[in-house]
Amino acid sequence: AQSVTQLDSQVPVFEEAPVELRCNYSSSVSVYLFWYVQYPNQGLQLLLKYLSGSTLVKGINGFEAEFNKSQTSFHLRKPSVHINDTAEYFCAVSERQGGKLIFGQGTELSVKP
Amino acid sequence: EAGVVQSPRYKIIEKKQPVAFWCNPISGHNTLYWYLQNLGQGPELLIRYENEEAVDDSQLPKDRFSAERLKGVDSTLKIQPAELGDSAVYLCASSLSRTAGNEQFFGPGTRLTVL
Repeated sequence: AQSVTQLDSQVPVFEEAPVELRCNYSSSVSVYLFWYVQYPNQGLQLLLKYLSGSTLVKGINGFEAEFNKSQTSFHLRKPSVHINDTAEYFCAVSERQGGKLIFGQGTELSVKP
Repeated sequence: EAGVVQSPRYKIIEKKQPVAFWCNPISGHNTLYWYLQNLGQGPELLIRYENEEAVDDSQLPKDRFSAERLKGVDSTLKIQPAELGDSAVYLCASSLSRTAGNEQFFGPGTRLTVL
């Protein structure tokens, strides 16, 4: 079975500052990794995913994440955040055979002017 | 291209009443998912359909929850009777297939409040 732990429930940051949202996972098999964003009163939108290949993955809206197999982590980063990045961010994992997504508890990113 | 459509967006009912949620996936998407999202939590899978067949319903509380996907397109999730603890957001998602790694596209959800 897989599990996902997002280490910070809330991350306040000032506009134009860098941010890192941390995600660790646990699995006995190889997995795929995802980051989704959820704006208020909306569904989840895929930011980026890691399937294979380069461990540094670039996504939409200037976000990127790095897969670290030895540390079982998939932290999300953005060098300079904007006010409209304020949202809930979810890390998720799925087995390579099966497709069922397991989500973390979410990290609320709050960007202040 | 239209995204995943869900209705209603909001529903308030009294406990013990029945309630139903409807989902229309993206055209051509064979796989459909229903998720439950409690406040402050990530979504949890309730049921997954491949066309009209439920291939994973292990997390669906079958004593009060039911779902169907007639003709392999639209889907309905029903709760009867609703309990206070069912207050949550119910999300529908779809993907081209169940292949791991395929992006799941989410609808805006139905926020259920049980009084």
